[in-house]
Amino acid sequence: EPEVTQTPSHQVTQMGQEVILRCVPISNHLYFYWYRQILGQKVEFLVSFYNNEISEKSEIFDDQFSVERPDGSNFTLKIRSTKLEDSAMYFCASSESGAYNSPLHFGNGTRLTVT
Amino acid sequence: DAKTTQPNSMESNEEEPVHLPCNHSTISGTDYIHWYRQLPSQGPEYVIHGLTSNVNNRMASLAIAEDRKSSTLILHRATLRDAAVYYCILRALKTNFGNEKLTFGTGTRLTIIP
Repeated sequence: EPEVTQTPSHQVTQMGQEVILRCVPISNHLYFYWYRQILGQKVEFLVSFYNNEISEKSEIFDDQFSVERPDGSNFTLKIRSTKLEDSAMYFCASSESGAYNSPLHFGNGTRLTVT
Repeated sequence: DAKTTQPNSMESNEEEPVHLPCNHSTISGTDYIHWYRQLPSQGPEYVIHGLTSNVNNRMASLAIAEDRKSSTLILHRATLRDAAVYYCILRALKTNFGNEKLTFGTGTRLTIIP
């Protein structure tokens, strides 16, 4: 069964550094999402993306965050200047359509540790 | 957004059926009921969804109350692999173009006892 893949599985970075988290969504999917989960807390929505544009973003997704689909297969999340509170699991997801009945398929996440 | 209420945790014996409840008393007519689960150290995984009628798939069954104010996810024969956090999420039918995000709550942590 096709799956969403994320790399790296674990990223350690120093405060103030830029990080790029990478995702390869399922190939025929058109809608892409980033979520994050701080240890022991809820899964939180960051951003949704369709047709090379952000569809919706949360309050968490401030100017330090950006997303890009640089080619036909990758979907990336960039954090420009990481803070300690950015430490979390970051999950990428994709769906075939944006409809209510189109499930989101999640990757297994990138654990970001900011020191 | 309409909210859901789930028990924080439940336990079940292996190979027994499990009934995971969810209350959504403020559900609107266009809200679909979705269930996802998150196994340890993994991303969320889609389980099932429905609107009014009961639904079955290879993973589980979804029983929806007639007034739609509650639903129950049924795992027919729990295995150790079913130990996870189960999320009941309402997802609105959008009449205009757009992708409706999922909003996760705290879910129910299901423990399977061997």
